[in-house]
Amino acid sequence: GAVVSQHPSWVICKSGTSVKIECRSLDFQATTMFWYRQFPKQSLMLMATSNEGSKATYEQGVEKDKFLINHASLTLSTLTVTSAHPEDSSFYICSARGDRVYEQYFGPGTRLTVT
Amino acid sequence: GENVEQHPSTLSVQEGDSAVIKCTYSDSASNYFPWYKQELGKRPQLIIDIRSNVGEKKDQRIAVTLNKTAKHFSLHITETQPEDSAVYFCAASESQAGTALIFGKGTTLSVSS
Repeated sequence: GAVVSQHPSWVICKSGTSVKIECRSLDFQATTMFWYRQFPKQSLMLMATSNEGSKATYEQGVEKDKFLINHASLTLSTLTVTSAHPEDSSFYICSARGDRVYEQYFGPGTRLTVT
Repeated sequence: GENVEQHPSTLSVQEGDSAVIKCTYSDSASNYFPWYKQELGKRPQLIIDIRSNVGEKKDQRIAVTLNKTAKHFSLHITETQPEDSAVYFCAASESQAGTALIFGKGTTLSVSS
């Protein structure tokens, strides 16, 4: 099956700094990538949808200036959490869709802790 | 946009019993309904999915049923085992490439031996 990787798997940063998370599709071209956030004991909440070469579409309530998404190629999307605060601490998961448009393939997730 | 409701939020069964989790969705355009199992700190794992052109799909101990008219779908696990204990999520989406999966709130299944 298709493989999606994420880096880093976990990161600790200080309040006010920025953190970049990478999401890569390793063996297929991802026309669309999605970013989800999952707080403890909660569900996956869609943050944004990104298409290669175009601006991301953010869900209501997600600050686009705080969560910067770049989808520069068909295999790479990045999420940058700017000026991170403790309330941004969460599990961030990306997913990608390729030619098989039904299934989404999930990355392993990134655990972000802001101190 | 799509909204997915999932029930129950917790489910405790004895080993060997069956477990049923139900979901409803709001967007009639949705035609893809996967179920995921997620263990703590891990990515969701697809366990079974169904598309709107069928009403039921089975894979060994797991089955999913879909009622498009009523906009609900269900996960059935038979002969449950302790290793089935996890959080299960249903999701829904259209089949178009640019459409994200929208998830239900999850069900924590506990199977005691």
